[in-house]
Amino acid sequence: SYELTQPPSVSVSPGQTARITCSGDALPKQYASWYQQRPGQAPLLVIFKDSERPSGIPERFSGSSSGTTVTLTISGVQAEDEADYYCQSADSSGTLDVVFGGGTKLTVL
Amino acid sequence: QVQLVQSGAEVKKPEASVKVSCKASGYIFISQGITWVRQAPGKGLEWMGWISPYNGKRNYVEKFKGRINMTSDTPTSTVYMDLWRLRSDDTAVYYCARGGGPGRQYLDVWGKGTTVTVSS
Repeated sequence: SYELTQPPSVSVSPGQTARITCSGDALPKQYASWYQQRPGQAPLLVIFKDSERPSGIPERFSGSSSGTTVTLTISGVQAEDEADYYCQSADSSGTLDVVFGGGTKLTVL
Repeated sequence: QVQLVQSGAEVKKPEASVKVSCKASGYIFISQGITWVRQAPGKGLEWMGWISPYNGKRNYVEKFKGRINMTSDTPTSTVYMDLWRLRSDDTAVYYCARGGGPGRQYLDVWGKGTTVTVSS
């Protein structure tokens, strides 16, 4: 089955830039999305179609794509950004099954 | 505003079944698919499947085929997810989310989740 690979954890100090990667063979063919999940809360869409930001999401959240890797970048990280982040995309085999990455815990030091 | 309101927590015994509802409001119900995602305690997100309220088309993850059914009721703008032959490893928070399906893979609105506990 198709998989998306994320690092388990990323740590940054407040004000620095955090980059979270997500790798998958189908990413050149399928858009990726990113979700933020704080403890005890439902996931929140922060990036869709690789780099588009929903209304209400701060400009410090951005997304990019290069080959088989997509990246979520959080500029000027704030304490409130500490959360789990999941990438999501679809299988390109024709089934269009959705797949999530394993998640990355962002720690703000 | 757009929102998805899910039914309350459930406690079930092994081999029982559960039905979770997801009521949509604030948008045209049949215009968007509804996706179900679950999250076991301390684990990541797991996609379960998707239904189109427009035409009833469904797509389930292979591992759930044979014990899952998703339905939609347009007059009440509600989607249901039935899961039967429950096991202890089905204990999870079950989320419905707007989106999924061809052309709109991202999930832009989520319900708050329904906790399903399977225990003897």
